[in-house]
Amino acid sequence: QVQLQESGPGLVKPSQTLSLTCTVSGGAINSDDYYWTWIRQPPGKGLEWIGHIYYSGTTTYIPSLESRLTISLDTSRNQFSLNLSSVTAADTAVYYCARGWRSMMGAVKWFDPWGQGTLVTVSS
Amino acid sequence: SYEVTQAPSVSVSPGQTASITCSGDKLGDKYAYWYQQKPGQSPILVIYQDNKRPSRIPERFSGSNSGNTATLTISGTQAMDEADYYCQAWDSTTGVVFGGGTKLTVL
Repeated sequence: QVQLQESGPGLVKPSQTLSLTCTVSGGAINSDDYYWTWIRQPPGKGLEWIGHIYYSGTTTYIPSLESRLTISLDTSRNQFSLNLSSVTAADTAVYYCARGWRSMMGAVKWFDPWGQGTLVTVSS
Repeated sequence: SYEVTQAPSVSVSPGQTASITCSGDKLGDKYAYWYQQKPGQSPILVIYQDNKRPSRIPERFSGSNSGNTATLTISGTQAMDEADYYCQAWDSTTGVVFGGGTKLTVL
């Protein structure tokens, strides 16, 4: 059974870089069936897909964050990571990593499973 | 850009049927997915590809999608079903979209 676990600092200062890692256990990350995905949820608000990476290293990001966001893959450690630069209070959220199922045509289907999520607060 | 819309809240009495809707332009031409999120927990998938149910999800959860509306139906709603429910779709231009979520209250 595949499980995902986020890790990283819970507090980041404004203008700095938010860095999180998702460790995947119970399955290989270098599969062509999945998109390794980051989704965030500001406190009291809804879900926002922010980006994903394919096993080939190809990434797709939400346009509003594209200039600040980098998602990378480490197949040797079965991990993928998120770096979000120049953060502001608006980036405060619970960040989830999730496995996105990919259609044969490259569409994103559903997300399952999800990690437990990690709250990142941007504050000085 | 493509958007899907949900009502902020739905109430249902225990044992009754709850219907949670998700609206979007020609949503029926896409697949709809549904997630349940309880307070302090991560979302879990309850319906995929409009009407398929993961094996761990109770049979009282079902889904449909036609025209501009996808619907999550919970038959014989139980107190444990009280949660936020999010619909999700994928659009070839916009990418992944989530609805704003519907808070289901069982009272």
